Amino acid sequence: NAGVTQTPKFQVLKTGQSMTLQCAQDMNHNSMYWYRQDPGMGLRLIYYSASEGTTDKGEVPNGYNVSRLNKREFSLRLESAAPSQTSVYFCASSYYRGSGETQYFGPGTRLLVL
Amino acid sequence: KNQVEQSPQSLIILEGKNCTLQCNYTVSPFSNLRWYKQDTGRGPVSLTIMTFSENTKSNGRYTATLDADTKQSSLHITASQLSDSASYICVVSDWGAQKLVFGQGTRLTINP
Repeated sequence: NAGVTQTPKFQVLKTGQSMTLQCAQDMNHNSMYWYRQDPGMGLRLIYYSASEGTTDKGEVPNGYNVSRLNKREFSLRLESAAPSQTSVYFCASSYYRGSGETQYFGPGTRLLVL
Repeated sequence: KNQVEQSPQSLIILEGKNCTLQCNYTVSPFSNLRWYKQDTGRGPVSLTIMTFSENTKSNGRYTATLDADTKQSSLHITASQLSDSASYICVVSDWGAQKLVFGQGTRLTINP
C-alpha cells in the first residue's frame, strides 16, 4: 500500500496563476482532508470531505476550491494564486471523520508563489 | 479560543540522552490528545493517542503522559537516537466541533 500520495512534490507559481494539487489514498478511507502548514504555526484545515460526494470548508478556505473526484481522490485547486498561499500543503485521510480516528498524511506539496 | 501551545520551540540534545516535550491546551470539551512525529520533508505520523481517562501511554522509547485536570501533556523520549530528529506535534480533538487543533510543534535535533 502506498498510503496517501500527493503530486506534485514542489511547485513554483507566479501570482495569478492557477494550479491543482492532487491527492490519492489506497486505504479505502471515507474521509479526506487538505491542510496547510506555515512556519511557526500548527497545521490548519482548508477543506475536508467527510465522505464521497461531500465537501465542507475548514478553518482557512478562502482562495481554494476542492473536488472529491471519487473515494480515492481529493484535489485542491488554487484559481488565482497569491503570495500568501506560499506554504506546504498536506493531504490526509481517515476511515471516518471522528475525533477518535487517526489521520494518515501524505508527504506534502511545497508551493512557492512569486 | 481553543489553543494548543508546545514548548520548547526547539531542542538540541546528544544521542543517548533523554528529553521531555511539553504541550498545554485550552481545548474544551476535550476528546483525545495525539502526538505526531514529522520527519523533515515528510507528513506527520501518529505516535500515540490518549483519551480523557488515560494518564500514560508508551510506544517503544516514547512515553506520553496526560493530566486532563491541568490540561497538560508531555512526550518523553528515552535513550534518544539520531532517527528521533524530527518535529513533534501535539494535536487535541475538540469534541464539540469535531475538529483537530494542532500545536506549532517542537523541533528536536539529536547530535552524535
